[in-house]
Amino acid sequence: GNSVTQMEGPVTLSEEAFLTINCTYTATGYPSLFWYVQYPGEGLQLLLKATKADDKGSNKGFEATYRKETTSFHLEKGSVQVSDSAVYFCALVNNQGGKLIFGQGTELSVKP
Amino acid sequence: NAGVTQTPKFQVLKTGQSMTLQCAQDMNHNSMYWYRQDPGMGLRLIYYSASEGTTDKGEVPNGYNVSRLNKREFSLRLESAAPSQTSVYFCASSGGGRYAGELFFGEGSRLTVL
Repeated sequence: GNSVTQMEGPVTLSEEAFLTINCTYTATGYPSLFWYVQYPGEGLQLLLKATKADDKGSNKGFEATYRKETTSFHLEKGSVQVSDSAVYFCALVNNQGGKLIFGQGTELSVKP
Repeated sequence: NAGVTQTPKFQVLKTGQSMTLQCAQDMNHNSMYWYRQDPGMGLRLIYYSASEGTTDKGEVPNGYNVSRLNKREFSLRLESAAPSQTSVYFCASSGGGRYAGELFFGEGSRLTVL
């Protein structure tokens, strides 16, 4: 079946550090891939997405590239801010329009 | 610009009590979802509704029922609450089709069952 695996948190970084959160997936066919972010006390928000191999999704300085050969969709940001502290979820939906499947989430804490 | 609205935001129940979580969206979305979020478990789908008049079980449906009242509203009912249902519940909606996977979430409902 389809599944998403994320690196375990919490991840603690200093402001302006480089961020990578690893995400790998297992899926049949050609899924679409997503990153969602959840700020404290809030619901999830879509951060970025990619719908086919080699696509790069980007938003708010975050980027992720759909790598079919490694079945990965790692989230990166060149310089994190305190305001980026949140839980980040990788997710996929298969190309038949099935249900969104989430990874377990990775908590990021950015210190001043 | 309301988006997805859930009520109540907080609720404490005793084991065996019943309650309904309400959800409404104003984006004219076809699909609606109920998830629960537990520490270390990510989000797990309880039930979803692909369109008005249809509902389907998700990953963890036991102990819950749902009603898609109309296109806007999708409620989740706990008939006899158990401590294992202590969780944060999120409602979400999506346009479906080519927007599959692009979900809009409510702010969550924190439920404690004693």
